[in-house]
Amino acid sequence: AQKVTQAQTEISVVEKEDVTLDCVYETRDTTYYLFWYKQPPSGELVFLIRRNSFDEQNEISGRYSWNFQKSTSSFNFTITASQVVDSAVYFCALSEPFTYGQNFVFGPGTRLSVLP
Amino acid sequence: GAGVSQSPRYKVAKRGQDVALRCDPISGHVSLFWYQQALGQGPEFLTYFQNEAQLDKSGLPSDRFFAERPEGSVSTLKIQRTQQEDSAVYLCASSPLVGGGETQYFGPGTRLLVL
Repeated sequence: AQKVTQAQTEISVVEKEDVTLDCVYETRDTTYYLFWYKQPPSGELVFLIRRNSFDEQNEISGRYSWNFQKSTSSFNFTITASQVVDSAVYFCALSEPFTYGQNFVFGPGTRLSVLP
Repeated sequence: GAGVSQSPRYKVAKRGQDVALRCDPISGHVSLFWYQQALGQGPEFLTYFQNEAQLDKSGLPSDRFFAERPEGSVSTLKIQRTQQEDSAVYLCASSPLVGGGETQYFGPGTRLLVL
């Protein structure tokens, strides 16, 4: 069965610090997709990134970077030089490509607070 | 609008009351999903539509929950005889294509409080 674990419930950092949010997943499939979403206080889940299981190349987008390691079943998310606007709940999610419907499994989320 | 919209944004219901939650997906998106998000938790799948067909409703918690998408665009999630445990945020998401692995785009959610 699919499962996503985000062991960090809450993280607080001071502005400009780097912070890494951990995500560990479980799946029996060799083909799958991983996602990160941001949920600010407004409540809307904002899509950040989608990676497939065959692409382990790390990705950088501005201050955001993602480290995908199949060997440890992890897909960690790093924010460099954090800003107050980064304060939100971040969710990691897993999906399988050959199913539909109940194919998105979310982790419990990590609440990030960036203090000025 | 360009994104997924949901209404109402907030709903307070008395226990036993029926409620209807509306979702307007991104125009042209084939797939539509409903999720329930309890306080402090991640979203949990409720049901999935491909156009007007409800292909998966395995996540609906009871027969008091009913969803429809009659014309393949707007969807309504109805909860009959609401209970306090139904209090949660209900999120709608749409994606342009069919099949797992496609990015889902979420609406702002409807926060339901059952008193």
